[in-house]
Amino acid sequence: DTGVSQNPRHKITKRGQNVTFRCDPISEHNRLYWYRQTLGQGPEFLTYFQNEAQLEKSRLLSDRFSAERPKGSFSTLEIQRTEQGDSAMYLCASSLSGTGNGYTFGSGTRLTVV
Amino acid sequence: RKEVEQDPGPFNVPEGATVAFNCTYSNSASQSFFWYRQDCRKEPKLLMSVYSSGNEDGRFTAQLNRASQYISLLIRDSKLSDSATYLCVVSGGYNKLIFGAGTRLAVHP
Repeated sequence: DTGVSQNPRHKITKRGQNVTFRCDPISEHNRLYWYRQTLGQGPEFLTYFQNEAQLEKSRLLSDRFSAERPKGSFSTLEIQRTEQGDSAMYLCASSLSGTGNGYTFGSGTRLTVV
Repeated sequence: RKEVEQDPGPFNVPEGATVAFNCTYSNSASQSFFWYRQDCRKEPKLLMSVYSSGNEDGRFTAQLNRASQYISLLIRDSKLSDSATYLCVVSGGYNKLIFGAGTRLAVHP
């Protein structure tokens, strides 16, 4: 499978716990993006990496959120001290430089904070 | 004001109908434009890019009006399988895509 892979598909956690999601992009894609989507809304940009460098972070990304892409390949998104408002679908996407050809999304990780 | 605005719908149409969706965007510097399709509880998938000259892909036609900052999608001969949410997407500078909230389409027999 050469698509974007995300794990886990679903995560249920108690409020206050930390969670970590993983994204494996398409191997030749040097750009990796994280988005969040809640019911009835479009995906909202969180952050993006070009290779291992995190080049932009949205104001949506509070200091409880951290993302890494240590070797320019897979990426992790960690949420510390989860809150019920963090419940959403977290989508990862990758592209080969720029936005001209659109992105390829992974299937997402659905987070439920109880 | 949202950067990308769409009518949320739903648009309920019979099979075989022609339906059009519209979208406006606020960033006049946007360079890339797309329509994505999203099925319920699935990830968005690229439907088509949108070019200034307008472009067609089978039953789907997309148009861009840069002066009015307006994008449209026309679906002809609607199929049951076209039922989905259609997301209007524009580039936010060089670094990211900005998504509208989507327009829901329901095609019924």
